[in-house]
Amino acid sequence: DVKVTQSSRYLVKRTGEKVFLECVQDMDHENMFWYRQDPGLGLRLIYFSYDVKMKEKGDIPEGYSVSREKKERFSLILESASTNQTSMYLCASSLMASGPWVNEQFFGPGTRLTVL
Amino acid sequence: AQRVTQPEKLLSVFKGAPVELKCNYSYSGSPELFWYVQYSRQRLQLLLRHISRESIKGFTADLNKGETSFHLKKPFAQEEDSAMYYCALRGGNMLTFGGGTRLMVKP
Repeated sequence: DVKVTQSSRYLVKRTGEKVFLECVQDMDHENMFWYRQDPGLGLRLIYFSYDVKMKEKGDIPEGYSVSREKKERFSLILESASTNQTSMYLCASSLMASGPWVNEQFFGPGTRLTVL
Repeated sequence: AQRVTQPEKLLSVFKGAPVELKCNYSYSGSPELFWYVQYSRQRLQLLLRHISRESIKGFTADLNKGETSFHLKKPFAQEEDSAMYYCALRGGNMLTFGGGTRLMVKP
């Protein structure tokens, strides 16, 4: 059974703070993703990683960076948190596609971040 | 640029009524589409994908390339179907999600 865990369920930070969100998966998945989930906007991809130290920008990378030093761990970093980054953050992982079809993404429970 | 549109933010039906959650997409290539669901206090999870052509929990979805739609349907809604539903479109190794529709099934 795939398990994706996120370091915190709830987090409250102040404007300007550096924030780290951690995600760990235990199924040896190559792909890992960070999304933010906002009402009416759905899920928007922030960053995607397909291998250790490899990353690609998603739709809304501004104000965020990521780190993937180990295959099982993918960190999202807010260099200087701002109030408009208050959101639910979801991590996901999937196997690399071995054929023409992409594999299912498995999601973590989410981290609700509030920036004051 | 690819896009997924779910025109209804909220859909409210009575138990036993048919339900259809709409999804429209724009994509220049051959689309691969999914429905993900998030029940209250649970993780987002895959419900079904168009290539599987299967019914999951009584739900089906047919890809209509002419109308660029992938609507999710169930003939008789149940209270346990109440959840947030997201339509998603593949682009490379990534997914583009719609804004989501909250389905409420009333007793």
